[in-house]
Amino acid sequence: EDQVTQSPEALRLQEGESSSLNCSYTVSGLRGLFWYRQDPGKGPEFLFTLYSAGEEKEKERLKATLTKKESFLHITAPKPEDSATYLCAVPLIASGSRLTFGEGTQLTVNP
Amino acid sequence: EPEVTQTPSHQVTQMGQEVILRCVPISNHLYFYWYRQILGQKVEFLVSFYNNEISEKSEIFDDQFSVERPDGSNFTLKIRSTKLEDSAMYFCASRNRQGLTEAFFGQGTRLTVV
Repeated sequence: EDQVTQSPEALRLQEGESSSLNCSYTVSGLRGLFWYRQDPGKGPEFLFTLYSAGEEKEKERLKATLTKKESFLHITAPKPEDSATYLCAVPLIASGSRLTFGEGTQLTVNP
Repeated sequence: EPEVTQTPSHQVTQMGQEVILRCVPISNHLYFYWYRQILGQKVEFLVSFYNNEISEKSEIFDDQFSVERPDGSNFTLKIRSTKLEDSAMYFCASRNRQGLTEAFFGQGTRLTVV
């Protein structure tokens, strides 16, 4: 069964304190991995798509990387406005398009 | 920037009543989805829709649920007889082609069944 696990569940950082979030997956034949940001009471906002091991994508203070078993979302010198829940999702191998989401990492950046 | 629009943002309904949640996907997108998120839990897939028919549905999407694309712009989710456990955030999403392209989500409808 395809599974997506994110860690840690919650992370509290000081402004400027860099860290990484983890998304590990057990899928038979990864076809891609998506990172989303979700603010409280809002819908997931697309951040990155990663297609193959070794691929990296960057956007402002965020960088996503992908290996054969996991993905990392690195946050460099975060600001309070980076506070949100970060979700990763993978498409099921048996399906064309449905996404399986992880539980998310709730990030809080204190000023 | 194009976005997925959902209405209403919050709906309160009595148990057993029918509700219709509405979505306007991004205009050139072809694939449409409903997901839900119970408070404190992860986002779960409900149903996908393409070419005016359901392409896939989850175990959650039972006979009480239905979807429709009544015209060229709207995409609706109907729950025929709501239960307390249907209380959740419901998200509509769309993408412009099959496969590995990203899905764009709306801001959600918070459904509260009392």
